[in-house]
Amino acid sequence: EPEVTQTPSHQVTQMGQEVILRCVPISNHLYFYWYRQILGQKVEFLVSFYNNEISEKSEIFDDQFSVERPDGSNFTLKIRSTKLEDSAMYFCASTLVGGQADTQYFGPGTRLTVL
Amino acid sequence: AQTVTQSQPEMSVQEAETVTLSCTYDTSENNYYLFWYKQPPSRQMILVIRQEAYKQQNATENRFSVNFQKAAKSFSLKISDSQLGDTAMYFCAFIAGTYKYIFGTGTRLKVLA
Repeated sequence: EPEVTQTPSHQVTQMGQEVILRCVPISNHLYFYWYRQILGQKVEFLVSFYNNEISEKSEIFDDQFSVERPDGSNFTLKIRSTKLEDSAMYFCASTLVGGQADTQYFGPGTRLTVL
Repeated sequence: AQTVTQSQPEMSVQEAETVTLSCTYDTSENNYYLFWYKQPPSRQMILVIRQEAYKQQNATENRFSVNFQKAAKSFSLKISDSQLGDTAMYFCAFIAGTYKYIFGTGTRLKVLA
């Protein structure tokens, strides 16, 4: 069964450094999402992406964050200058079509640790 | 504001027994979808069951069923004949009119042999 994959599984970085988290959505899916989960807290929506544009973003997704689909298979989340509070689990998800009727399929997550 | 509340941070159940996980939500939308996701240790979240709010009939998937009470904004998950492989974190979530899921804080379920 097709799965969403994410790399790396764990990323450790120094505060102020840039990180890029990578996701490979399910191949025929068109809508892509990033969520994050700070340890012990809720999974929170960051951004949704379709047709090379952001379709929705949360207040968490500020100018330090950006997303890109650099080729036909990858979907990336970049954090330009990491802060301690960016330490979290980051989940990628994808759907075939957008909207509430379509189930989102999640990847295993990347644990980001900012020191 | 749209919120999801899971009031049970941790639960345990004996193998082969039945357990119910609670979830309440708040939304002013009339059309929405509700989900239960399972996250085994170090693995991705996978969909357990989903419910369309416009359907009165409760969804079932094998040993998993929901009790959806729309007026009470309650969406509990019942796991029958619990198995060791059901040990996981369970997240309740809903989506209403947007692209984003709203998640609860999760319930950690441990099935005991």
